[in-house]
Amino acid sequence: ETGVTQSPTHLIKTRGQQVTLRCSSQSGHNTVSWYQQALGQGPQFIFQYYREEENGRGNFPPRFSGLQFPNYSSELNVNALELDDSALYLCASSLGSTFSAKNIQYFGAGTRLSVL
Amino acid sequence: QKEVEQDPGPLSVPEGAIVSLNCTYSNSAFQYFMWYRQYSRKGPELLMYTYSSGNKEDGRFTAQVDKSSKYISLFIRDSQPSDSATYLCAMSQSILTGGGNKLTFGTGTQLKVEL
Repeated sequence: ETGVTQSPTHLIKTRGQQVTLRCSSQSGHNTVSWYQQALGQGPQFIFQYYREEENGRGNFPPRFSGLQFPNYSSELNVNALELDDSALYLCASSLGSTFSAKNIQYFGAGTRLSVL
Repeated sequence: QKEVEQDPGPLSVPEGAIVSLNCTYSNSAFQYFMWYRQYSRKGPELLMYTYSSGNKEDGRFTAQVDKSSKYISLFIRDSQPSDSATYLCAMSQSILTGGGNKLTFGTGTQLKVEL
């Protein structure tokens, strides 16, 4: 196990609704990254938080937002859900915000979101 | 054109075969190269990472990077049914080129090792 937990496991929403996904990082990991994995595709980087501040963002609109808390928990919020938002959402925690042997990203099992 | 290209498979091999998985990429700024394994209903798990060109071996797994050709490979020797999973290549830039710790993934190759 990676020590990264995500909740809920599955979620069904309707178009236009808002959703909050949660992640609990490994203790001591200051960085959390969120990825969207559509069916049959590789994960796509949404954004990264380092010590509670956004530290990089992929090609996702502002209706995707996040929060990181001092207790190593974090949230991904998506407003105005669209059908194309249906995917597996993965969070990954790491010690730091740059790649190195010490800053390996450990992934949770993901939250599968279905938008109807 | 995607930054990272990977044949999605599926790839089916008999137990004990040598498996070769490959990715090509277009961004010269990529410096770190990783292979993740993802079982069904699980998150990706890091198998190996390499920095720049060269080979790295870990048990039955060997990772190769050829930066001149922008081509990376993962070889699995003596493949086992438990190796059946999706294999994702991932890449990251150095902090000097603004990479942070963002990973750019390939599509993933689905591997099945048959008894």
